[in-house]
Amino acid sequence: AQSVTQLGSHVSVSEGALVLLRCNYSSSVPPYLFWYVQYPNQGLQLLLKYTSAATLVKGINGFEAEFKKSETSFHLTKPSAHMSDAAEYFCAVSDRGGSNYKLTFGKGTLLTVNP
Amino acid sequence: DTAVSQTPKYLVTQMGNDKSIKCEQNLGHDTMYWYKQDSKKFLKIMFSYNNKELIINETVPNRFSPKSPDKAHLNLHINSLELGDSAVYFCASSLTGAGNTIYFGEGSWLTVV
Repeated sequence: AQSVTQLGSHVSVSEGALVLLRCNYSSSVPPYLFWYVQYPNQGLQLLLKYTSAATLVKGINGFEAEFKKSETSFHLTKPSAHMSDAAEYFCAVSDRGGSNYKLTFGKGTLLTVNP
Repeated sequence: DTAVSQTPKYLVTQMGNDKSIKCEQNLGHDTMYWYKQDSKKFLKIMFSYNNKELIINETVPNRFSPKSPDKAHLNLHINSLELGDSAVYFCASSLTGAGNTIYFGEGSWLTVV
């Protein structure tokens, strides 16, 4: 079964600092990978996704992620954190076939941004 | 216009009651989902429907019964509510096929007292 592991349930950075949120996947075949963001009391919004085109994926709000097959990783980065980036971030994985398409989520990483 | 809308947003009810959450999407998608987010923010799929047909039923108690009257709607009915059912329930939708973006609603906060 597909799974993802998010390292660090809570990451705290200063405003203007680099944001790095870690995600590793478990799959024998490179899966599709996603990052979603959840602001307080809101639904999930897609930041970016990897579907086997370019390994460096650019998303909304200045975020990007790099798919590294050798490391089975899909870490999310942003060069300079903004206060508005404070939210819960979820990495998710899906397999590549079948009618039973679904996302399997990691446990989430809470990002706090300090002024 | 809201793409995936669900009602109610907040629901407080007593143990043993029956309640429903409604969901509608106006994206023209043919697959809809229910996800449950627990108090630790963990998200887990409950059901998926494709063109009104049940595709995924992820070992959810029989007290939970989804109904899809058409491919734009997927409602969730819960019988005999228990304290452990307190969670946020997210409706979502996508086009059929792996890799397609799944769009989520704003969530329904269910509290069972």
